[in-house]
Amino acid sequence: DTVLTQSPALAVSPGERITISCRASENVNTRLHWYQQKPGQQPQLLIYGASNLESGVPARFSGSGSGTDFTLTIDPVEADDSATYFCQQNWNDPWTFGGGTKLGLK
Amino acid sequence: EVQLVESGGGLVQPGRSLKLSCAASGLTFRNFYMAWVRQAPTKGLEWVAYISTGGGSTYYRDSVKGRFTISRDNAKSTLYLQMDSLRSEDTATYYCTTFYNRNYFDYWGQGVMVTVSS
Repeated sequence: DTVLTQSPALAVSPGERITISCRASENVNTRLHWYQQKPGQQPQLLIYGASNLESGVPARFSGSGSGTDFTLTIDPVEADDSATYFCQQNWNDPWTFGGGTKLGLK
Repeated sequence: EVQLVESGGGLVQPGRSLKLSCAASGLTFRNFYMAWVRQAPTKGLEWVAYISTGGGSTYYRDSVKGRFTISRDNAKSTLYLQMDSLRSEDTATYYCTTFYNRNYFDYWGQGVMVTVSS
């Protein structure tokens, strides 16, 4: 299975810029997607196809990358962005998710 | 507004069965691939199964093949997951999701908890 590796946790101050990384164990082309999950809630799609912003998601969120290395950028970070962020790939079967990066605010 | 509402979860003993349902509204259900994604307590996300728009094609992760069955009733805009021979490792919150072109999961229900324990 394709393993997606994410940093477990990050902390940032509101107003700053943060990048969250997702590294794939093998090529996933640009079939990499990002989700946000707040405590007690279901995940929400943020970015699809590595860099496409889902409708209704603030433009503070952006994504980049291809192949094996991907980043989700939040600029500027707001207090409401405190959540866990997951990446997911659908290039290789079975589709897999990263372990998630918990973003905390200072 | 798209709404996906799961039901049918609960506490069940190992080896027993449970059937989840997901009632969809606010979308043309028959036009969407659908999927189930689960999340074990304090763990990450795991795709479980998906079904094509007409229900003729289904696909499962290896760990649930032969035990779980995904199905749908387009007339009722409802998705199902029949779970047999349940194991403790199936304990999780199960989310019903739309599965856009078999790429990504764009709409999610609020989730339903399944606990497998004696």
